[in-house]
Amino acid sequence: EVQLVESGGGLIQPGGSLRLSCAASGFTVSTNSMSWVRQAPGKGLEWVSVIYSGGRTYHADSVKGRFTISRDNSKNTLYLEMNSLRAEDTAVYYCARAESSSATYFDYWGQGTLVTVSS
Amino acid sequence: QSALTQPASVSGSPGQSITISCTGTSSDVGGYNYVSWYQQHPGKAPKLMIYDVSKRPSGVSNRFSGSKSGNTASLTISGLQAEDEADYYCSSYRSSSTFALLFGGGTRLTVL
Repeated sequence: EVQLVESGGGLIQPGGSLRLSCAASGFTVSTNSMSWVRQAPGKGLEWVSVIYSGGRTYHADSVKGRFTISRDNSKNTLYLEMNSLRAEDTAVYYCARAESSSATYFDYWGQGTLVTVSS
Repeated sequence: QSALTQPASVSGSPGQSITISCTGTSSDVGGYNYVSWYQQHPGKAPKLMIYDVSKRPSGVSNRFSGSKSGNTASLTISGLQAEDEADYYCSSYRSSSTFALLFGGGTRLTVL
């Protein structure tokens, strides 16, 4: 059974850093493309980052230069390193598995981890 | 990147059919068959309902169908049921100098 379990969220001050983890089971993260998608409180979904199975990464303009997506194949875990955090980064962060090589849709999602950026 | 445009809310009675639209541009919805739809119940993670415009994942009811015309994609739910009440989001790949995935603002479906 495919499972994704996020962790690492919490309350952080503006300008701070946080690393989110997404532990995968039931499949191998290195053979699938994976993404992070976030949802601000009461708002819609926003794509954040993708890492292709081949290792290529892309980030949304809103987080480019501040966030970095990566994975540890030995731990079968996806990460999101977040630096220079802003109030507008406050959201539930979901990791999601892309079923296709195009990485344009997600067939499995984690339960999400809440990041709150506030002083 | 700007979000795709969806109506804020739609409603229907049990047994009826409803359609949710998702309008983009020729650089996203109109240019690629990479439109997907997600259902999200309060406090839950999104669930994939439709991908590649009109394909349905295994396990999703055939009451859900997707289509596209020009720059507008649509999700149709037939035979509305109480459990269909949820938020629905469309998503599309957008061509740019880098990878970009857009989501719509979401549509709240109320089953009357």
